[in-house]
Amino acid sequence: GAVVSQHPSRVICKSGTSVKIECRSLDFQATTMFWYRQFPKQSLMLMATSNEGSKATYEQGVEKDKFLINHASLTLSTLTVTSAHPEDSSFYICSARGPLVLAGGTDTQYFGPGTRLTVL
Amino acid sequence: AQTVTQSQPEMSVQEAETVTLSCTYDTSENNYYLFWYKQPPSRQMILVIRQEAYKQQNATENRFSVNFQKAAKSFSLKISDSQLGDTAMYFCAFLLQGAQKLVFGQGTRLTINP
Repeated sequence: GAVVSQHPSRVICKSGTSVKIECRSLDFQATTMFWYRQFPKQSLMLMATSNEGSKATYEQGVEKDKFLINHASLTLSTLTVTSAHPEDSSFYICSARGPLVLAGGTDTQYFGPGTRLTVL
Repeated sequence: AQTVTQSQPEMSVQEAETVTLSCTYDTSENNYYLFWYKQPPSRQMILVIRQEAYKQQNATENRFSVNFQKAAKSFSLKISDSQLGDTAMYFCAFLLQGAQKLVFGQGTRLTINP
């Protein structure tokens, strides 16, 4: 239980275009999902917290208009990188708070496999 | 604000040996959770072990166990009979009870040599 998927796993796009990354909880409902960014050999940096049916909460320094987050259902959150530039190239990871039925319940985050974004 | 410190950027041991990864944290709160996550070369974050601060008993999951010292704010991970598949980045993380955001340490890169 508590499987989280991400799509796509890799994406290459041209500078100035927009890219959408999907995060799905496959076998449970997730009212809260998180989006992280990870640079090579570094820890995860939280970008935003996504709550189903409401606006995302962004961390300080993260541009809301550039990284659009939509959590329209209990199993899907999307991150759209708008007008992408080479400096947006990174590894993006989503996570979801686990279901109550699992040990650890909603206090444990389960992670997707990540999306590698390359902006040319 | 809570902080998590992993003082060992890299470690390397031989297969079948036992290795301990260090983690310390700073908080003035009493109720929280601590986690160890593993990130292998595939970069998929995998939950290794979880500890509730109110529990005195150390959590164990097969070859993985923790030494939770609440007074010292220490949460080390012991891997027994290490295997090649244990090669990964290991992240220690803290979650305040009632909060949503995980606080991660900087990570320890563990290499298991054949």
